[in-house]
Amino acid sequence: AQRVTQPEKLLSVFKGAPVELKCNYSYSGSPELFWYVQYSRQRLQLLLRHISRESIKGFTADLNKGETSFHLKKPFAQEEDSAMYYCALSEGGSNYQLIWGAGTKLIIKP
Amino acid sequence: GAGVSQSPRYKVAKRGQDVALRCDPISGHVSLFWYQQALGQGPEFLTYFQNEAQLDKSGLPSDRFFAERPEGSVSTLKIQRTQQEDSAVYLCASSPGHGSGNTIYFGEGSWLTVV
Repeated sequence: AQRVTQPEKLLSVFKGAPVELKCNYSYSGSPELFWYVQYSRQRLQLLLRHISRESIKGFTADLNKGETSFHLKKPFAQEEDSAMYYCALSEGGSNYQLIWGAGTKLIIKP
Repeated sequence: GAGVSQSPRYKVAKRGQDVALRCDPISGHVSLFWYQQALGQGPEFLTYFQNEAQLDKSGLPSDRFFAERPEGSVSTLKIQRTQQEDSAVYLCASSPGHGSGNTIYFGEGSWLTVV
C-alpha cells in the first residue's frame, strides 16, 4: 500500500542553520510528490512539487527514486519558516487522491 | 470570496447528534475534495467531486458519512449519529481542473469535537 513517512514529529534548529525535513514513501509506480506548509493560524498551502523542480522561499526538494525519498532542504533557516510541513504523494496522471505524511513541526530558534 | 470557505469553523456536538459541514469552493473550481485530519496526523482522503458528480467516496469511514454537491459548487458533508472518533478537523479543498497537476486550495477547516 502507498504510504508516506515523516520520521520527525518535531525539528528545532537555530536561525541561519541548514534545515532538512525528511520524507520517505512507499509506492511501486511513478508518484508525484508534494510539500505542503501550514503556518500558524493559516490554511494548508502548497509549497512545492517535485515535477516543477523549483525553489520556493529558498526550499528545494529532490525526488530520489532509489531511496524513495523526497527530503525538503533549505541552506539557511529563517524564523518565518517555523510551521507544520506535510509531505504528500499522488499517483499522478488523473489520480486526485493525496496520501499524506503525519507532518513535521519546524521551529526556528532565534 | 478569495479562497475556500468552510462553516462552521468550530462545532461541538453531543454523541449521537447529526452535523452538517459546509464548503464554498473557489468560484469556477471543478474539483472538490473532503479530507479528515485527526489530531497529530496528516489529512486523510474522504471523498472527491468533479462538478456535481461524486466520483470517489472510498474514504468515507462509514455509512454515517454522506457528502453532496448538488449544483457543482457548494458542498455539504453530513455526519449522522456522531461518535467520539469522529472528532477531527474536516478540510475542504478545491482545484480548477481534475488531475494531480492542478494546485489544490484548502479551506481553514471545520473543527468538530464530539462529546
